[in-house]
Amino acid sequence: DQQVKQNSPSLSVQEGRISILNCDYTNSMFDYFLWYKKYPAEGPTFLISISSIKDKNEDGRFTVFLNKSAKHLSLHIVPSQPGDSAVYFCAATGAGSYQLTFGKGTKLSVIP
Amino acid sequence: DGGITQSPKYLFRKEGQNVTLSCEQNLNHDAMYWYRQDPGQGLRLIYYSQIVNDFQKGDIAEGYSVSREKKESFPLTVTSAQKNPTAFYLCASSTFLGGADTQYFGPGTRLTVL
Repeated sequence: DQQVKQNSPSLSVQEGRISILNCDYTNSMFDYFLWYKKYPAEGPTFLISISSIKDKNEDGRFTVFLNKSAKHLSLHIVPSQPGDSAVYFCAATGAGSYQLTFGKGTKLSVIP
Repeated sequence: DGGITQSPKYLFRKEGQNVTLSCEQNLNHDAMYWYRQDPGQGLRLIYYSQIVNDFQKGDIAEGYSVSREKKESFPLTVTSAQKNPTAFYLCASSTFLGGADTQYFGPGTRLTVL
């Protein structure tokens, strides 16, 4: 049973437009959420995180929104750039656990 | 330069052989982790260690073994008991804060069993 779901395996966006990547979770014990970016044959790179006490966290072009009642979070990239093309993983943890639970990823393609 | 190193980048082994993947970090992190990634899948936790000489099984520990004799090192052995060992293996580390820890990943090792 997947506790973290990224229902869109892929997303294509024009350069300069907004990219919105979505993530849903089922475990109400999760209280810390992270987004990682991954290029092929490389390790994931930490992008941005959000604690459940917040509903928004912003870092440059990247903003993560958390809707606890809907158990949903999203990553917004504005403006999208060709270098943003990668697989994005949503991850969650909580209740003092050291384990991260990952979604299956969304492959973002930013078209020049 | 602080970071996590994994070696080798690519590894080929014959079926039935044990193989050990290296992971070293100089971030002074207490916790270390091993994940496996398969095509179209998220990362799945194999083993993790919070402190030296202690480690716990993750979701898919069968066929794998680890050791944590030093804080900086967390090698993973893929044994012949692992039924489908060909995969991309990722090592990560984090501080020992509990809960809101960001895990930082190494570059990964692609293991192919022939």
